[in-house]
Order: sequence, then structure tokens, then C-alpha cells
Amino acid sequence: AAGVIQSPRHLIKEKRETATLKCYPIPRHDTVYWYQQGPGQDPQFLISFYEKMQSDKGSIPDRFSAQQFSDYHSELNMSSLELGDSALYFCASSLLGQGRVEQYFGPGTRLTVT
Amino acid sequence: AQKVTQAQTEISVVEKEDVTLDCVYETRDTTYYLFWYKQPPSGELVFLIRRNSFDEQNEISGRYSWNFQKSTSSFNFTITASQVVDSAVYFCALGAGGSEKLVFGKGTKLTVNP
Repeated sequence: AAGVIQSPRHLIKEKRETATLKCYPIPRHDTVYWYQQGPGQDPQFLISFYEKMQSDKGSIPDRFSAQQFSDYHSELNMSSLELGDSALYFCASSLLGQGRVEQYFGPGTRLTVT
Repeated sequence: AQKVTQAQTEISVVEKEDVTLDCVYETRDTTYYLFWYKQPPSGELVFLIRRNSFDEQNEISGRYSWNFQKSTSSFNFTITASQVVDSAVYFCALGAGGSEKLVFGKGTKLTVNP
């Protein structure tokens, strides 16, 4: 079965640079979530989109922005990167519109800021 | 606000022992969902189970079983006859509030020794 695809899997950036993370949800899933997991921490919700509209927002820094496109893929844009942004970034997708709330997670993008 | 507490930070057992991971949750929503995820050392989040707030039936899947008790706001996870491959960090998570973003516990690191 198709799973959530995230790219790139690993990314190394320097401070103050910009990064773009991509997420391709499971086909026909209508909802995308972004989570950030720092070293030794639990995943923290950043933002979600339902049918291409932002549906909820968590502790996402103003330096970050995200959107969901017409083909349902999503991108997380991160600017002015800081050392503290080094983390594992997960995208998850769900078929919320049909009442199925299982969130299937992608493999994650490991971002290292040096 | 939603909250998930996993009081056990780390557990170490010997192979074939049974082990129970505790999860206590807090929410004011009457409709909510509880999840368990496994995160092996490779980093991906593997979906194990979802439980709806209106379904208190316990569930067994092979060596895994889950005990959901609304009266004590607990959703405990038991692994029977543990194996080395069960070594991972296990997260309990709560989804509620419409968008169903997940709030995770801090995780329990399980080490199964041969």
C-alpha cells in the first residue's frame, strides 16, 4: 500500500538559510499534518490542512509557513534557520472527511542546522 | 486543553517477559481518539492502534493488547512475551477538538534484552 512520502529525508543547512520540506500524502487522503520532533522529545504539532485550507495551527514559529496544493501535497517552508530548528519533521495524512482519523506518518525529514 | 501522561520514561525487560506501558489522558471533549505509535531507532512512527472515546472494548492483536478505561482516563498497552524487536520508544497520543491534531505523551523507551 502507498504510504506518506517525504522529501528530502535528510537536509543540512546553515544558520539563517532557508529550507523547504515536501510531503506527499497517501492517495485520496484529504488532511495533512506537520509535526516537529526535537532530539529526545515527543512530536509537537505545527500545522494542519484540510482540503487545501489551513485547519489548525500549533506552536509554529512565524519564520515557518506551509501550504497544501491542489494535488494535496504540502510544503513546509522554513526561513532564517536557527540551531534549535534541528529536528525530525514528520508529515502525516488522514482521511478526515470520511471520519477516519488514523494519522499515517511519513518517514520524516531530519533537518540539521549548523 | 488536551494532555497525555506516560509516567514511565524507560523500561527494561528480559525477552519473553510481559510488559505494560501506561498512558493517562486528559480532555474536556466528549469525542476523542487515542492512539499508540511505535518509534524504532530508525525514527519512523509506526501506527499501532486507534481507539474511539465511545468504544471501550479492549483489543488484542497477536502479542499486543490494549486496555481502555474511561473511568480512569487510561489507555494502557501490554506486550506479551516481549521480543528484542519490540525495543523502541512507544508514544501514546490523543486526538480531539475537530482537527484531530495529535497531542503526544513524552514516550516510554522500552528495551528488551536477550
